[in-house]
Amino acid sequence: EADIYQTPRYLVIGTGKKITLECSQTMGHDKMYWYQQDPGMELHLIHYSYGVNSTEKGDLSSESTVSRIRTEHFPLTLESARPSHTSQYLCASSIGDLGTQYFGPGTRLLVL
Amino acid sequence: AQSVTQPDIHITVSEGASLELRCNYSYGATPYLFWYVQSPGQGLQLLLKYFSGDTLVQGIKGFEAEFKRSQSSFNLRKPSVHWSDAAEYFCAVRNSGYSTLTFGKGTMLLVSP
Repeated sequence: EADIYQTPRYLVIGTGKKITLECSQTMGHDKMYWYQQDPGMELHLIHYSYGVNSTEKGDLSSESTVSRIRTEHFPLTLESARPSHTSQYLCASSIGDLGTQYFGPGTRLLVL
Repeated sequence: AQSVTQPDIHITVSEGASLELRCNYSYGATPYLFWYVQSPGQGLQLLLKYFSGDTLVQGIKGFEAEFKRSQSSFNLRKPSVHWSDAAEYFCAVRNSGYSTLTFGKGTMLLVSP
C-alpha cells in the first residue's frame, strides 16, 4: 500500500484567499505529480517534479504554483483562490522511469 | 502524442456477471499501460500494469487485462463482479520519454443486484 498523504482532505474557502495543499510521501520516490480532476471527469496533469528543485508545468494550464525543496514534500499553492479553482486535486508519486504512479486520497477544494 | 480512449462512459453489470472494460491507446512503440480504480471521494488505486512480456496480466481484486498490439487495446476483465467493484476505472499510458501518464476519461461501473 502506498504511503502518500494529502491535507486537508476537504477545504472550503472564500475568494481571494491564499491556500496551500500539502502532499507528502514516505516511500523515497523521486518523482511527484499534481492532477486536477473535476467531478466525474478525467485527470489533468498540472505540475510535476523529477526531483528536488525541479518542477515543470503539466498539460493543463493552472494558476497554481508548486515547490520541491525536500524529496518527500510537494506542496501546491494558490495565491488568490477563485471559484474556477473548485475541483479535486490529486497528488501522486513514482520512482524510476517505469511510470507506476501511486496516488494520495485527494483534496476537495470549494472556493465560494 | 499519446492518447487513451475509453469508449464507454457508463457500464451497468449485474452482480456475479462478467465484466469487460475497453481501452484503446495511441502510441508508436511498445506502451506502458495501466488500469486504476477510483472509489467515490478517493484517490486512484493501481489495479494492474503492463510493461512487456506476457500479454495477459493479473492484478489485484481478481482483475486481469490483455494487451493486444494489433488492436491497440488493453481491455480490463473480471469473471464475476461484486457490488464493491462499483467505481470509476481509468486506463492510462506512459508518455514517451517521460514518467508522466496520459489518462482516459474513465468508465463508471455500476453493479446491479
